[in-house]
Amino acid sequence: ELKVEQNPLFLSMQEGKNYTIYCNYSTTSDRLYWYRQDPGKSLESLFVLLSNGAVKQEGRLMASLDTKARLSTLHITAAVHDLSATYFCAVGLGGSEKLVFGKGTKLTVNP
Amino acid sequence: NAGVTQTPKFRILKIGQSMTLQCAQDMNHNYMYWYRQDPGMGLKLIYYSVGAGITDKGEVPNGYNVSRSTTEDFPLRLELAAPSQTSVYFCASRTVTEAFFGQGTRLTVV
Repeated sequence: ELKVEQNPLFLSMQEGKNYTIYCNYSTTSDRLYWYRQDPGKSLESLFVLLSNGAVKQEGRLMASLDTKARLSTLHITAAVHDLSATYFCAVGLGGSEKLVFGKGTKLTVNP
Repeated sequence: NAGVTQTPKFRILKIGQSMTLQCAQDMNHNYMYWYRQDPGMGLKLIYYSVGAGITDKGEVPNGYNVSRSTTEDFPLRLELAAPSQTSVYFCASRTVTEAFFGQGTRLTVV
């Protein structure tokens, strides 16, 4: 059974600071996704990572994937208030079409 | 480009009632999913489908049923609604690389 663990689950940070959210998963996977969710809204796709060593960046967010360690990171650089949201990683189970989500990281960026 | 459309957006059911949550996508995706999201939690997979006529259970299928008669539609049926089914339900479809989510259906069972 594929288990996906995110940490931290809650993150409060100041504007301008850097931080990293971690996503560990338990079995072989062939794809990993990062999503953003604002309160009361649907999920917005941020990144799709398909291979070991993949790194993608968009604005102040950068995601990476290490398939050997079964670990993905979402790095936040010089955080701004607009990044406040809940961030989810989701992992595709290798050989299956299932997509399993972590519990999410609620990020609050304070002025 | 409508993407993934869910209806209704909100619904209140009484215990024991039944209803169908509708999901339609216009992107010709084979893969479709139903998730539920409880307050402050992640998404849990209810059912998924890899193509018309093919469905399979996810993590939390009890109390739900699905069908997939066409590529476009993937309705979720709740029989005998229970308070534990109070949640926000998301439908998604995906390509090989990217998943697209509907806006969600907020269901309350009282």
